[in-house]
Amino acid sequence: NAGVTQTPKFQVLKTGQSMTLQCAQDMNHEYMSWYRQDPGMGLRLIHYSVGAGITDQGEVPNGYNVSRSTTEDFPLRLLSAAPSQTSVYFCASSYSGRGSFPDTQYFGPGTRLTVL
Amino acid sequence: AQKVTQAQTEISVVEKEDVTLDCVYETRDTTYYLFWYKQPPSGELVFLIRRNSFDEQNEISGRYSWNFQKSTSSFNFTITASQVVDSAVYFCALSQGAQKLVFGQGTRLTINP
Repeated sequence: NAGVTQTPKFQVLKTGQSMTLQCAQDMNHEYMSWYRQDPGMGLRLIHYSVGAGITDQGEVPNGYNVSRSTTEDFPLRLLSAAPSQTSVYFCASSYSGRGSFPDTQYFGPGTRLTVL
Repeated sequence: AQKVTQAQTEISVVEKEDVTLDCVYETRDTTYYLFWYKQPPSGELVFLIRRNSFDEQNEISGRYSWNFQKSTSSFNFTITASQVVDSAVYFCALSQGAQKLVFGQGTRLTINP
């Protein structure tokens, strides 16, 4: 298994540009999520999905869109990039999306995004 | 609201010393899970441990041990006989609902040879 994969590893955008961060997992996990990591703030949840066709907002969703058309993929879209979105983005997945108790989440390698 | 506090922003010790990373959490849930993740200089996040609120037994895995105390809402992590390879940022996290995680700010641990 490749686990959780993310592309690209690095990206530089200009303010106002759009892009999609890709995330895929091959473990048949129901739950997938996106976090951003900023210095001194740990990781904060952007959006999450408990299964194909179901998404919801996390703590910091503004400026980001997601969709989940397949179990494997969970792309994160920035419609109009802003310098405040400069961060490291992590995708994570776990087996049980709709259960009562959280399974361990496994993280991808991250995407470092800079918005000028 | 859930909250995780890692008051130690940075810790620096000499190799072979023991070091404890503190984690204090706040939650109104009676059932919850706590996690520790390691982020080495390469940047990935590596899962270390998951503990549920009903299990207060301490856990030991090699040089790593975890002390979970509900009475003080703490889930501390100790590395015994630290090694240079232990240098990393360590995150404590708390489950919010079924799957969402709330992370602490992280503790940067540096082990000097």
